[in-house]
Amino acid sequence: GESVGLHLPTLSVQEGDNSIINCAYSNSASDYFIWYKQESGKGPQFIIDIRSNMDKRQGQRVTVLLNKTVKHLSLQIAATQPGDSAVYFCAENSGGSNYKLTFGKGTLLTVNP
Amino acid sequence: NAGVTQTPKFQVLKTGQSMTLQCAQDMNHEYMSWYRQDPGMGLRLIHYSVGAGITDQGEVPNGYNVSRSTTEDFPLRLLSAAPSQTSVYFCASTTDPLRTEAFFGQGTRLTVV
Repeated sequence: GESVGLHLPTLSVQEGDNSIINCAYSNSASDYFIWYKQESGKGPQFIIDIRSNMDKRQGQRVTVLLNKTVKHLSLQIAATQPGDSAVYFCAENSGGSNYKLTFGKGTLLTVNP
Repeated sequence: NAGVTQTPKFQVLKTGQSMTLQCAQDMNHEYMSWYRQDPGMGLRLIHYSVGAGITDQGEVPNGYNVSRSTTEDFPLRLLSAAPSQTSVYFCASTTDPLRTEAFFGQGTRLTVV
């Protein structure tokens, strides 16, 4: 969902559950959409991407869904583990410019053992 | 495997002081970027470079200068620090703008008092 002020959207799940993190993007012309994971005190780390001409892409334990009609992106994490606890950002890459990414505000995922 | 290295990791400045945040990458990447991350927000692009000698402004360039004299280094300069520049700064690099994976450094946490 949308963040309000300085507060990140948060998602708390039990270990082993599936997690779904959502993101609304703004630019209809974006070519790629990317999910990054940021652990506390570290820089963002690439998880998975999807091209604008696709609606689903799967990786290891992760699936990204793209709905261009409503400009919505989601990241599904299967069998969530404590090591998945982090802030997750969606980002847009417009015009083959992955050095000019536009980031969403992030979602804090907490996995309870 | 050093990747993208940022120094220092932490810095406290007084208002009006100047400093340079260092960023170096050893992957021979042409494209480098600087982002800032404020609480509860995603990363915002400050400046970027598409090669040695070529830089351009991002979304929030005011108060910052950059230069790119070598492929490896992309320093970010604050000429006269202001409390509004208190943030975490991330440097990123990539080799191919059509790919989506950008590599991020560990960040520099800057506090301006």
